[in-house]
Amino acid sequence: GAVVSQHPSWVICKSGTSVKIECRSLDFQATTMFWYRQFPKQSLMLMATSNEGSKATYEQGVEKDKFLINHASLTLSTLTVTSAHPEDSSFYICSAIVDTNSYEQYFGPGTRLTVT
Amino acid sequence: AQKITQTQPGMFVQEKEAVTLDCTYDTSDQSYGLFWYKQPSSGEMIFLIYQGSYDEQNATEGRYSLNFQKARKSANLVISASQLGDSAMYFCAMRGEDSSYKLIFGSGTRLLVRP
Repeated sequence: GAVVSQHPSWVICKSGTSVKIECRSLDFQATTMFWYRQFPKQSLMLMATSNEGSKATYEQGVEKDKFLINHASLTLSTLTVTSAHPEDSSFYICSAIVDTNSYEQYFGPGTRLTVT
Repeated sequence: AQKITQTQPGMFVQEKEAVTLDCTYDTSDQSYGLFWYKQPSSGEMIFLIYQGSYDEQNATEGRYSLNFQKARKSANLVISASQLGDSAMYFCAMRGEDSSYKLIFGSGTRLLVRP
């Protein structure tokens, strides 16, 4: 089956620094990837849709200058949390579509970000 | 706007028993898809089952079945013969008919299977 990886699986950073999270489709090409954020004991909230070769589409209320998304290739999308603050601490999950004609969407294992 | 509602924050079920997790949805789209995902404590999202709005039969995948009642806008997940490994968070999600393919998730139900 389709495999999506994320790196790192967890990261601790100091307030004010930036951190980059990678999402890779390992055995398929993903024209579209999604980034979700999940606070403890809450649901997944879509942050943005990432399309290869074009600018990401952000959901309402998500700061595009704070959460930079780059989808430079068909197998890699990156989320950079700029000037991180403790309130950005969360579980970040990416997903990818294998085939636009299919309903299947595969999720990465997630990245737990802690900002101190 | 689309919305998914899961009214059961937590559920208990005895091992080997069946359990139903509720999900209702709201959408004005004619074509949509409904999903159930399992999220164990490790955090990964595991796809369980999918139901298309035009599918006439309820979807089934092994011990999982989706009780789709279109008129009531409900898409309940039924897990038969519960196992200890079924203890996890379960999320219902929906995708609309636009071309964005994005999923809207419900608040989730935590299922605990008792031995």
